[in-house]
Amino acid sequence: NAGVTQTPKFQVLKTGQSMTLQCAQDMNHEYMSWYRQDPGMGLRLIHYSVGAGITDQGEVPNGYNVSRSTTEDFPLRLLSAAPSQTSVYFCASSRTSGSYEQFFGPGTRLTVL
Amino acid sequence: GESVGLHLPTLSVQEGDNSIINCAYSNSASDYFIWYKQESGKGPQFIIDIRSNMDKRQGQRVTVLLNKTVKHLSLQIAATQPGDSAVYFCAENPPEGGFKTIFGAGTRLFVKA
Repeated sequence: NAGVTQTPKFQVLKTGQSMTLQCAQDMNHEYMSWYRQDPGMGLRLIHYSVGAGITDQGEVPNGYNVSRSTTEDFPLRLLSAAPSQTSVYFCASSRTSGSYEQFFGPGTRLTVL
Repeated sequence: GESVGLHLPTLSVQEGDNSIINCAYSNSASDYFIWYKQESGKGPQFIIDIRSNMDKRQGQRVTVLLNKTVKHLSLQIAATQPGDSAVYFCAENPPEGGFKTIFGAGTRLFVKA
């Protein structure tokens, strides 16, 4: 199993550009989520999904969109990038029963100029 | 990544000693707690979890203690090894938030050989 994969690993954008961060998991997990991690801080939840076709907002959803058309994929879209969105982005997945241990991807380091 | 956690609380221990990492959580109604370990340049990795109906749970070389009275969580690592050097995060799941996991700011553990 590859676990949780994220692409790209690094990305530089100009202010106002849009892009999609990709996330995929092969563990058949119902739950998937996106977090951002800024220096000196913990992870903050952006959006999450408890199954295909179901998404909800987390703590810091503004400026980001998500969709969940399949169990495996959960892309994160930046609509119009801003310097405040410079961060490291992590995707995670877990089951929705039993242990809620989240499996994290390796992260995408995004810089917005 | 290497820029994460520049201003985190830091704990420095000698190899072979026991480490205790503390965390104060925010919501007295949270019913599920997890400790994660994050090595430089990687995503967080599950260590151990505990539910609110328990006070203590043990894993391999790790023990988590939960004190609901003062909303305090601790992670004890026995016989700390150089490979334990990382940033450690506690996380809580408030019941009303479903899967809206809240992460703490983290503690950086340095293990001196």
